[in-house]
Amino acid sequence: AQSVTQPDIHITVSEGASLELRCNYSYGATPYLFWYVQSPGQGLQLLLKYFSGDTLVQGIKGFEAEFKRSQSSFNLRKPSVHWSDAAEYFCAGAGNMLTFGGGTRLMVKP
Amino acid sequence: DADVTQTPRNRITKTGKRIMLECSQTKGHDRMYWYRQDPGLGLRLIYYSFDVKDINKGEISDGYSVSRQAQAKFSLSLESAIPNQTALYFCATRGGNEQFFGPGTRLTVL
Repeated sequence: AQSVTQPDIHITVSEGASLELRCNYSYGATPYLFWYVQSPGQGLQLLLKYFSGDTLVQGIKGFEAEFKRSQSSFNLRKPSVHWSDAAEYFCAGAGNMLTFGGGTRLMVKP
Repeated sequence: DADVTQTPRNRITKTGKRIMLECSQTKGHDRMYWYRQDPGLGLRLIYYSFDVKDINKGEISDGYSVSRQAQAKFSLSLESAIPNQTALYFCATRGGNEQFFGPGTRLTVL
């Protein structure tokens, strides 16, 4: 069965520190992969997507993600976190359907 | 104007009441989806529609029904609401390999 897993439910980082949010997928073939962000009380905003090609994908707001087939991972990174990045982040994979991970809530310490 | 709109944005209702959540899109996409979001579970698919005449159950369709009135409109109904249907509900469309989400409807069933 297709699945997407985000191992970390909560992560807290200091403002200015680097960030990595983990995502693992389980699909028969390489799925299309996405990262979304949901700010409190808001809908989902697409940060970036991977379909094929270059395994390092650049997104909006200074985020990037790296697709690693050998590890079945698609981790999201940002070199320097801003307080406004506090939100919930969802990884998703698309085979026939879009399947979401459970989300990681990011808190940013001043 | 938003491409995917949902009404109402918030709703409080009582157990046993019939509720309809509406979704409209201006993107011209054939594919539309309804998800619910619960803490720690990400978004789970309730129903999806590939065109006006094609409606399919998703992962958690029990207790829900849908109607695709036109290409642009896809409604979700709870025939007899129960408290564990309290959640945040998202409508989405799909164009190419990307999904576009509405702002969400927060439903509380007392």
